[in-house]
Amino acid sequence: NAGVTQTPKFRILKIGQSMTLQCAQDMNHNYMYWYRQDPGMGLKLIYYSVGAGITDKGEVPNGYNVSRSTTEDFPLRLELAAPSQTSVYFCASSYYEYEQYFGPGTRLTVT
Amino acid sequence: AQTVTQSQPEMSVQEAETVTLSCTYDTSESNYYLFWYKQPPSRQMILVIRQEAYKQQNATENRFSVNFQKAAKSFSLKISDSQLGDTAMYFCAFMKRDSGGSNYKLTFGKGTLLTVNP
Repeated sequence: NAGVTQTPKFRILKIGQSMTLQCAQDMNHNYMYWYRQDPGMGLKLIYYSVGAGITDKGEVPNGYNVSRSTTEDFPLRLELAAPSQTSVYFCASSYYEYEQYFGPGTRLTVT
Repeated sequence: AQTVTQSQPEMSVQEAETVTLSCTYDTSESNYYLFWYKQPPSRQMILVIRQEAYKQQNATENRFSVNFQKAAKSFSLKISDSQLGDTAMYFCAFMKRDSGGSNYKLTFGKGTLLTVNP
């Protein structure tokens, strides 16, 4: 049981480039989330999904897109990378509302 | 909107001693959860303890306990018998609990960096 996995662990992007952050869970959780953590701050919700085919915006969705075609996978897409998107990105999943399991994070730098 | 405030950016404690981390929150909701998460240098977010607002009894998990004061909107974390492995950033977090059960969004504070000294 791998839990929540994220790839890549680190990535450097140039301004204007695009990339997809991958997230997968093997716990059959319906709920999945993407957060970002800026230096010295707590996590902020970008997007979330309550099941395959259903996604919704969180607190800071601008500049990102998501899709959820399967229960297991919840990729996050950055279309035109900007320096403001330099952050650590965490994916999480949950079965019960009160118990979110987090992945190890992806550190993204945009220069 | 909910806000979570952690007023102590950094704290330190000697190994085996007790330390208390503070958290206050602002909400008009009556039904919600509160959490403490630990983030060690590995960056992994780990759930430490959870409190349901309708429960008057304070939650405990081994060496970790909370002091939940609903009227004062205060939710502090006490760590007893501190260990070197407790060194981490600790985040307080809030989750509104809708009657429909559809709101699972966490709101985090900025964190408190706890260092346990040998």
